[in-house]
Amino acid sequence: GAGVSQSPSNKVTEKGKDVELRCDPISGHTALYWYRQSLGQGLEFLIYFQGNSAPDKSGLPSDRFSAERTGGSVSTLTIQRTQQEDSAVYLCASKLSWDQPLQHFGPGTRLTVT
Amino acid sequence: QKEVEQDPGPLSVPEGAIVSLNCTYSNSAFQYFMWYRQYSRKGPELLMYTYSSGNKEDGRFTAQVDKSSKYISLFIRDSQPSDSATYLCAMSRTGGSYIPTFGRGTSLIVHP
Repeated sequence: GAGVSQSPSNKVTEKGKDVELRCDPISGHTALYWYRQSLGQGLEFLIYFQGNSAPDKSGLPSDRFSAERTGGSVSTLTIQRTQQEDSAVYLCASKLSWDQPLQHFGPGTRLTVT
Repeated sequence: QKEVEQDPGPLSVPEGAIVSLNCTYSNSAFQYFMWYRQYSRKGPELLMYTYSSGNKEDGRFTAQVDKSSKYISLFIRDSQPSDSATYLCAMSRTGGSYIPTFGRGTSLIVHP
């Protein structure tokens, strides 16, 4: 079946611009995560959605970062007033339910801030 | 000290070698232990997972967890050039949102 998809695959933006990154999770998966992966670094947790519960935003690095999930499916990660240190690969993952530890990752969006 | 430590490598081995990849951790509450493989410019894909201690085998891959030492390993037998990738360990507690903590990943190069 279809896996997690993300768009765009690559995004180049100028410092100070806003960007929106999209994630389409696997159909039926109730849990959705966003991560950031910088060069040579591990995955940094950003935000977690589970069903209709309030999201866990504990990993968002600043108030320039926000995310929403509409209708329990598609999610959008928004970065306002981008900075060069925001350059990274942004990965989305979904899983079947909250009590399952196993996540399925999308291919990521490579963000470059010039 | 990071919660999960993983040597970034690179680890370079000849084809056919047995590869050992390892992670150490500090949080004794971790119960789920996972290994992901990530090819260049791709998302991580789940290779194996174990719950609590013990071994798990899947084809050429074996995952081991030693909770007393807070040490996990992934062994790859008869390594192939197609195994060349970055291998990420991840672990999480039970309960809550199961947000995993990832290692930095080890870059593996298997040369023909």
